[in-house]
Formats: sequence, structure tokens, C-alpha cells
Amino acid sequence: KQEVTQIPAALSVPEGENLVLNCSFTDSAIYNLQWFRQDPGKGLTSLLLIQSSQREQTSGRLNASLDKSSGRSTLYIAASQPGDSATYLCAVSYNQGGKLIFGQGTELSVKP
Amino acid sequence: GAVVSQHPSWVICKSGTSVKIECRSLDFQATTMFWYRQFPKQSLMLMATSNEGSKATYEQGVEKDKFLINHASLTLSTLTVTSAHPEDSSFYICSARDPADRGIGGYTFGSGTRLTVV
Repeated sequence: KQEVTQIPAALSVPEGENLVLNCSFTDSAIYNLQWFRQDPGKGLTSLLLIQSSQREQTSGRLNASLDKSSGRSTLYIAASQPGDSATYLCAVSYNQGGKLIFGQGTELSVKP
Repeated sequence: GAVVSQHPSWVICKSGTSVKIECRSLDFQATTMFWYRQFPKQSLMLMATSNEGSKATYEQGVEKDKFLINHASLTLSTLTVTSAHPEDSSFYICSARDPADRGIGGYTFGSGTRLTVV
């Protein structure tokens, strides 16, 4: 069964800290992996997309890495800010345009 | 970029009634739309894949007679929760794939609908 797991489920850090969110997937034959942000009661905003052939992607203070063979991805957030507080979801796809399989998310709280 | 509009953003209905949720792609044609359900503190679970002009494909365990999906045009898909019960209370989110692949990943999500059945 294709499953995605995220650790930790919740994380609280003081402002300015660097942090790492983890995502693992059981079937390593992914087409791509995405990281999303979800604010309470809202839809999803895509943050980063990593194709299966790539090792990492960067956008501003965000860096996502992918180790396809071990079925793992990490999202690194540098110099965290209170505005980063949200739930972060990773999702994998196994074919182009196909459905996304989501992890349960990591709820991040950045304290001022 | 690609925009998906979802309405209503929240709805309260009585047990036994039906509720329709709309998902529109505003600036692109979406041949495929996805409907997800999200319970509190849990992840998004795909309910069904909606294909324009054909029947939706439902995930295992999702009752197709209870969750009616219609994708009659390239810009509109609807999800109707029939004979709703309190256990159907959840957050429903639609997603569409932009053929032009604008944005990151090409998937655009609606803002979600909070359904509460009383």
C-alpha cells in the first residue's frame, strides 16, 4: 500500500530557529513529491516540487531534499518566522497528472 | 496563475438533507478534478477523480451513491453529499490540474468547504 508519513506531527519553536520537517513514503517509485502549506480552515498552497530525478529544490528560506531510494524527503526552513506557522503537508504522485497521496502533516508553531 | 474557486466556504445543514459543493477553474480548462476530504488533524484523503464528460472514479471505501460527482463542463465540477449525516461533517477540498502547468506542480486547490451536519 502506498503511504506517506510525516514526523513530527506537531512542532513548536522560537522565532529565528532553523528547523527540519520529515516525510517518508513506502513506495519509492514516485513521479514527484511536493510540499504544501495549509493555513487553518484554508486550502493548500504549493511550496516546492521535486521531480523524481532531482535531489533538492530551494525557494527563499525553504529547501526540500529528496532521497528517492530510501523513500525520504525533508523540508528545511531557515530562520523561522511567526508567519511560517501553519500545517505543512508532503504529497507524492506516481504518474504525471495523477492523484496525490498526502501525509498527515506537521503542524508548525513559531513563537515570537 | 491558475485559480480554482470553491463554494460555499462553509455550510451547515440538517441531517438527511443534501448539500452541493462547486469547484470552478477560473482561468483554465480542467479535464480532471480531484475531490478530497480532510477530518480534523488528519491529512487529505482522496475521495474521487472527476473527469469531464465521463463518470467519476471513486477511491475504495467511498460510497458513490452518497457522494455524487458531476463534471459537466471543462470548468465546473460539483460534489453533492446526499442524505448527509453528522459523520459526513468534514472539510472538503477540490483540486484541478492546469494543463499549462502554471505554478508549482500544476495542481491548484480550492479554498475548501467546511460542512457541518446537525
